[in-house]
Amino acid sequence: DAGVTQSPTHLIKTRGQQVTLRCSPKSGHDTVSWYQQALGQGPQFIFQYYEEEERQRGNFPDRFSGHQFPNYSSELNVNALLLGDSALYLCASSFPTGASGYTFGSGTRLTVV
Amino acid sequence: TQLLEQSPQFLSIQEGENLTVYCNSSSVFSSLQWYRQEPGEGPVLLVTVVTGGEVKKLKRLTFQFGDARKDSSLHITAAQPGDTGLYLCAGALGGQAGTALIFGKGTTLSVSS
Repeated sequence: DAGVTQSPTHLIKTRGQQVTLRCSPKSGHDTVSWYQQALGQGPQFIFQYYEEEERQRGNFPDRFSGHQFPNYSSELNVNALLLGDSALYLCASSFPTGASGYTFGSGTRLTVV
Repeated sequence: TQLLEQSPQFLSIQEGENLTVYCNSSSVFSSLQWYRQEPGEGPVLLVTVVTGGEVKKLKRLTFQFGDARKDSSLHITAAQPGDTGLYLCAGALGGQAGTALIFGKGTTLSVSS
């Protein structure tokens, strides 16, 4: 199918630890965006990567960082985890303009205890 | 401040009823997208509207983009239990504001038979 693949699907971490989430975009897409979705809320934009550079960033602290690789896959890193970081983390891929819409992965459910 | 206001937040109806979900903002969007999300999954794109006043139909779903490109609505005719889910509107500001999507909080729709 070559849709968006995210790993792991679930993760439990302790407060203060660091976590890395991974995303492989849909075949043909070169732009990757990351979103955080708290329970009962809409997704909140974290940042977007294109051509291995962070192109746009939402209102998230520097503890949230990312990377895009030459094959367009991406990682989201979160340092010094807080209880409030518990959420569903969604990766979405698209063409650079985003006009054709975004394809989302099923997300990584992160629980910080 | 929530850039995109969705209403209602919750909707519980009987099979066969009609419903409308609204998405409003004081900002002008270059495009607006509607997604449907089921528990444990990422949002799935339903439609993208770009032109003010545009109307798009997807079977029993009708989407409209306001003339000023600040608001949108989703109308479902003869709702079915399979329509149950979280409906999200998302807008892209475009230009220097970029292509990242700003999501509303969503409308949780429950259709019972």
